[in-house]
Amino acid sequence: AQSVTQLDSQVPVFEEAPVELRCNYSSSVSVYLFWYVQYPNQGLQLLLKYLSGSTLVESINGFEAEFNKSQTSFHLRKPSVHISDTAEYFCAVTESSGNTPLVFGKGTRLSVIA
Amino acid sequence: NAGVTQTPKFQVLKTGQSMTLQCAQDMNHEYMSWYRQDPGMGLRLIHYSVGAGITDQGEVPNGYNVSRSTTEDFPLRLLSAAPSQTSVYFCASSYAGTGIYTFGSGTRLTVV
Repeated sequence: AQSVTQLDSQVPVFEEAPVELRCNYSSSVSVYLFWYVQYPNQGLQLLLKYLSGSTLVESINGFEAEFNKSQTSFHLRKPSVHISDTAEYFCAVTESSGNTPLVFGKGTRLSVIA
Repeated sequence: NAGVTQTPKFQVLKTGQSMTLQCAQDMNHEYMSWYRQDPGMGLRLIHYSVGAGITDQGEVPNGYNVSRSTTEDFPLRLLSAAPSQTSVYFCASSYAGTGIYTFGSGTRLTVV
């Protein structure tokens, strides 16, 4: 079975500052890793994913995450945040067979301050 | 538009009432899941299905029933609602083997 730990429940950051949202996972088998974003009063949207290949993955809106197998981490970073990035971010894991349900962390609420 | 459709979007129930949350997808996805989202708890898996006629329990299955008679539909039934079931419920689906899930917009359920 897999598990996910998101180390920060809330992260306040000023606009245009960098941010890192931390995610660690536990699994005895190879995994796929995901970051989902949930804007206020909306559903979940896939932000980025690691399936295989390059350990650095990027989203279209400037976020990136790096898969670190030795540290079992998949931290999410953005060099300069905008007010519109205010949302809740969820890290999720599944077996790399893709045949098990997603297991989610408890979420990190990112608040961008003007 | 293709995707995962959940109905209703909002529901208020009295303790002890029953209801069914509907979930339908038109992408021919084999896998479907139900999650509940509570503040500070993230999304917790209730039940999931890997195909028509096959369902299994997740982390928090008590008080909920599911069935999967078709590929498209995966309803979640509350037989006797309790205040502890007040939550936002999300349905998700994916192709087998990809791990990439599409989520519905959610059902906000309040049990009074």
